[in-house]
Amino acid sequence: EAQVTQNPRYLITVTGKKLTVTCSQNMNHEYMSWYRQDPGLGLRQIYYSMNVEVTDKGDVPEGYKVSRKEKRNFPLILESPSPNQTSLYFCASSFNQETQYFGPGTRLLVL
Amino acid sequence: ILNVEQSPQSLHVQEGDSTNFTCSFPSSNFYALHWYRWETAKSPEALFVMTLNGDEKKKGRISATLNTKEGYSYLYIKGSQPEDSATYLCAFPSGTYKYIFGTGTRLKVLA
Repeated sequence: EAQVTQNPRYLITVTGKKLTVTCSQNMNHEYMSWYRQDPGLGLRQIYYSMNVEVTDKGDVPEGYKVSRKEKRNFPLILESPSPNQTSLYFCASSFNQETQYFGPGTRLLVL
Repeated sequence: ILNVEQSPQSLHVQEGDSTNFTCSFPSSNFYALHWYRWETAKSPEALFVMTLNGDEKKKGRISATLNTKEGYSYLYIKGSQPEDSATYLCAFPSGTYKYIFGTGTRLKVLA
């Protein structure tokens, strides 16, 4: 089954404790992206990747890092999480700039 | 700063009613407009990718039109059903692999 998976789905952590949210897709898509969703705001793009070892900042990259060492994986790293990073996070992938396929979401609470 | 606006923010309709909502986007440098359907506790799923001025696309009871010259797209739902209850998002590519999402229209269909 073609899908995008994210782990964990839910995470409660404390300020400053490094964490990684994994994202994996099995559709051989070149393009992958991370978004965050906050109440009253649209999905905002954090980082995106056009292919292996090629990443770029979206609209809200501060406090986040990403890597793309393999085509299928695109982890999101929060080196020192802060409460303002409490949010719902989505990973997405697509072939070129066509329809994006979204993962199930990761709900993060930073205390 | 590019802006994508959706209206109304939320909508309640009775089962069987037809409804429509709007996505407004910058009319210059148009490439495509994406519509997604997002059910509560799930991830956004693609509905349409609109690329040509005057485009009309249809999937079952849902259809969409596009006016790139004036910068808007309409989404129509004919004979709304409770299972149509969801948030409908539009997304505008603002650059290569960069996307701006609207805040969505939350539709509730009452049985």
